[in-house]
Amino acid sequence: DMKVTQMPRYLIKRMGENVLLECGQDMSHETMYWYRQDPGLGLQLIYISYDVDSNSEGDIPKGYRVSRKKREHFSLILDSAKTNQTSVYFCASSPRLGGDQNTLYFGAGTRLSVL
Amino acid sequence: KTQVEQSPQSLVVRQGENCVLQCNYSVTPDNHLRWFKQDTGKGLVSLTVLVDQKDKTSNGRYSATLDKDAKHSTLHITATLLDDTATYICVVGDRGSALGRLHFGAGTQLIVIP
Repeated sequence: DMKVTQMPRYLIKRMGENVLLECGQDMSHETMYWYRQDPGLGLQLIYISYDVDSNSEGDIPKGYRVSRKKREHFSLILDSAKTNQTSVYFCASSPRLGGDQNTLYFGAGTRLSVL
Repeated sequence: KTQVEQSPQSLVVRQGENCVLQCNYSVTPDNHLRWFKQDTGKGLVSLTVLVDQKDKTSNGRYSATLDKDAKHSTLHITATLLDDTATYICVVGDRGSALGRLHFGAGTQLIVIP
């Protein structure tokens, strides 16, 4: 069963707290992504990971970092969360680099509120 | 600057009616274009992908067209069902980029009423 699982689904944090968003996939995909989705905007790429310990910044990496120690698991970390990081965060995976015709498989998202 | 524009922003149709969603983009180069469906509170699910200069695809009640000369795509939904209520997102993939970037539209929110 091809699946991308995100935990937690909902999270409320106070400004300045650290945040850990987890993502797992069971398809052995090399490439994994973190996006954020804000109202009225398209998904924005935060980080992309090509494989274990092979990560690159996306379009909006400031304030975020990632960790990929196993192929099936990709974490997004917010050190000292800010209110403007309130958003819905999506993890996705694909069998190779996006930009070719292989589709992305998306998780259900984590809705993060930073108060 | 937004490189993928979708219209309308939102749309209400009655069950059984047909509808057309539009996607205009300025992404260059443009390798492929994909339409996703996003149910409320869920992730994106791919509906179809278009690749050729002038392309057409069909997937059940969903059909799509792409004209790369005009940088324009349409998604047609025939005989809409209540379950078609969702946000439909147009995504353009560029080629030649080392990161294989995907450019996302903001989506069209479709509401199907009885």
